[in-house]
Amino acid sequence: DTAVSQTPKYLVTQMGNDKSIKCEQNLGHDTMYWYKQDSKKFLKIMFSYNNKELIINETVPNRFSPKSPDKAHLNLHINSLELGDSAVYFCASQGGVTEAFFGQGTRLTVV
Amino acid sequence: SQQGEEDPQALSIQEGENATMNCSYKTSINNLQWYRQNSGRGLVHLILIRSNEREKHSGRLRVTLDTSKKSSSLLITASRAADTASYFCATVTYGGATNKLIFGTGTLLAVQP
Repeated sequence: DTAVSQTPKYLVTQMGNDKSIKCEQNLGHDTMYWYKQDSKKFLKIMFSYNNKELIINETVPNRFSPKSPDKAHLNLHINSLELGDSAVYFCASQGGVTEAFFGQGTRLTVV
Repeated sequence: SQQGEEDPQALSIQEGENATMNCSYKTSINNLQWYRQNSGRGLVHLILIRSNEREKHSGRLRVTLDTSKKSSSLLITASRAADTASYFCATVTYGGATNKLIFGTGTLLAVQP
């Protein structure tokens, strides 16, 4: 079983659309993250959820909203997509301060 | 927000040589971790070193940590073509119920066969 799975793997959409990326972890971890990796490969933290409560929002536009229906899921919803949102988005989970486990990424292309 | 910088940004070596990557960070940390990312894939955890440790080994990997200089290094010995990937350091800070896992800028390692 995949520890952290995110879907879809690829997402191509037009400007102005609304889209969601789903993430699920089966590790029983309390903390889940969303990261954005741009074309220069920088990994920027977007959100951290600890026990279903948002802990961090790193100056992310409010068009991005994390939604956590339960401890095992942290979905990312994006409204009014812009060209600059094109990137690879990674979900990760972490138990305490130990190693984090990453999903395979979602490559979002806004046209 | 980016916790720190890594250097070099890119490194090209021959198989069998050693590769050293450096990471600097800005704040006090609970631990520092190194991850590997193959092209087009997710990140995979390599090794974790706690703030009260100075050196750690795992197979061909050696990590050092100098908290006074807020820096770490990753040494890969006897490199192989399969080690070609991007390598990232990440710092973990913890305060109460809050975890932060913040990544450095990464080093792209190319090992020539």
